[in-house]
Amino acid sequence: AQSVTQLDSHVSVSEGTPVLLRCNYSSSYSPSLFWYVQHPNKGLQLLLKYTSAATLVKGINGFEAEFKKSETSFHLTKPSAHMSDAAEYFCVVTTGGFKTIFGAGTRLFVKA
Amino acid sequence: GAGVSQSPSNKVTEKGKDVELRCDPISGHTALYWYRQSLGQGLEFLIYFQGNSAPDKSGLPSDRFSAERTGGSVSTLTIQRTQQEDSAVYLCASSLSPGGGNQPQHFGDGTRLSIL
Repeated sequence: AQSVTQLDSHVSVSEGTPVLLRCNYSSSYSPSLFWYVQHPNKGLQLLLKYTSAATLVKGINGFEAEFKKSETSFHLTKPSAHMSDAAEYFCVVTTGGFKTIFGAGTRLFVKA
Repeated sequence: GAGVSQSPSNKVTEKGKDVELRCDPISGHTALYWYRQSLGQGLEFLIYFQGNSAPDKSGLPSDRFSAERTGGSVSTLTIQRTQQEDSAVYLCASSLSPGGGNQPQHFGDGTRLSIL
C-alpha cells in the first residue's frame, strides 16, 4: 500500500534562512514522487518531480529534493527562503496508473 | 499556453439546491481528475477520467455526486441536493496519460463552494 507522511504540519523560518520540509513515503513499487505548492486561493503548482532518474531533483524557484530510497524520504529544501515562498506544500506519490496519494500538507511561514 | 480553467471561481447556494462545477482541461490532456479540499484538510480524490474509458468513480462520497466528461474534454461535476458538509474547494486537474504514474497533474484554481 502507498502512503505519504509529511512530518510537519507547520514550519516557520526567517527570510534568508534555509527551508526544510520533510516527507516520508511508503510504496511497494518504484514510486514517482512530486512536490506541489499551493498559494492562497490558487490551485496546486508543480515544484519538481522524481521519476527514477537522478536522485537529486531540481525544481522551480530554487527548490530541490533528494530521493533517499534507504530512508524512504523525499525532503524538500531551499537554501534561502523568500517571503513569496510562504504557502502550503504537498508531497505526492504515485506508483503506476492514476492513483495519487497526497500528503496532508505543510504550511510554510516566512518571517521578515 | 492556457492552463486548466474552472468555473465559477466561487459559488454560494442554499442547502438542497443542485450545483454544477465546470472544468476545462489543458488541450491534449487525456486524463482529468476531480478532488475536494476541505478547510484544513488535504486533497480527497473524487473521480478520474482517462480518454474514452469508463471513469473511476471510487472517490465519490455519495450518489448525490456525479460527473461527466463530454467529447474527452470539458468536465462537469454535479452535486444534487447540496448539504452543508459539501462546502469545500473543488479542484480539477489534467495530465497526459498517466501510464506509469510519472505524469504531473496540472491544477485549476478551483471552485470555492459554500452551502448556506
